Amino acid sequence: DTEVTQTPKHLVMGMTNKKSLKCEQHMGHRAMYWYKQKAKKPPELMFVYSYEKLSINESVPSRFSPECPNSSLLNLHLHALQPEDSALYLCASSQDAVHTNTGELFFGEGSRLTVL
Amino acid sequence: TQLLEQSPQFLSIQEGENLTVYCNSSSVFSSLQWYRQEPGEGPVLLVTVVTGGEVKKLKRLTFQFGDARKDSSLHITAAQTGDTGLYLCAGAQGNYGQNFVFGPGTRLSVLP
Repeated sequence: DTEVTQTPKHLVMGMTNKKSLKCEQHMGHRAMYWYKQKAKKPPELMFVYSYEKLSINESVPSRFSPECPNSSLLNLHLHALQPEDSALYLCASSQDAVHTNTGELFFGEGSRLTVL
Repeated sequence: TQLLEQSPQFLSIQEGENLTVYCNSSSVFSSLQWYRQEPGEGPVLLVTVVTGGEVKKLKRLTFQFGDARKDSSLHITAAQTGDTGLYLCAGAQGNYGQNFVFGPGTRLSVLP
């Protein structure tokens, strides 16, 4: 069983809806990530939080808004999405990457998002 | 952004056969990870290699990191149907290794 928990597992939303994806880890990791994965493609990095501060934003459209309320939680707020945003959204965490260069990622099972 | 290439893209073999998949880049990585992903699930970490020339064995899986830390290989001995999945290599770039770059993956199908 993965130690990174994502909810919901499946989400269907209209283009005018506002929804959120949630991610939780209790491994004491201090870096958390959002990845987007389209079918038959590798995961693409969206955001990285390090010590609850946004450290990387890979030019993601503002209709995706990340939030890190505390070191264990990571949210992705969704608003006015497009059908092409339909994908598997993966959350991951890694140990404090400031002091190590072997920051392995631990992934959740993903949230399958469909935008109608 | 450093790019990772993987080959082959697709591989279909019979149970019991051996196989090797490759991960290559023109850039140096501080570490490199191999993941396996099954449909509808998140990638699962298999191994991390850090030192150039390093070889790690995980049961029937052997991982090697190139001397120059630019490439890696994964060899599976006597493949089983349970090995079926998408094999992704990922490289940690930058001083703190926070930005992981994924290769496009090798989709392996092991037939009974």
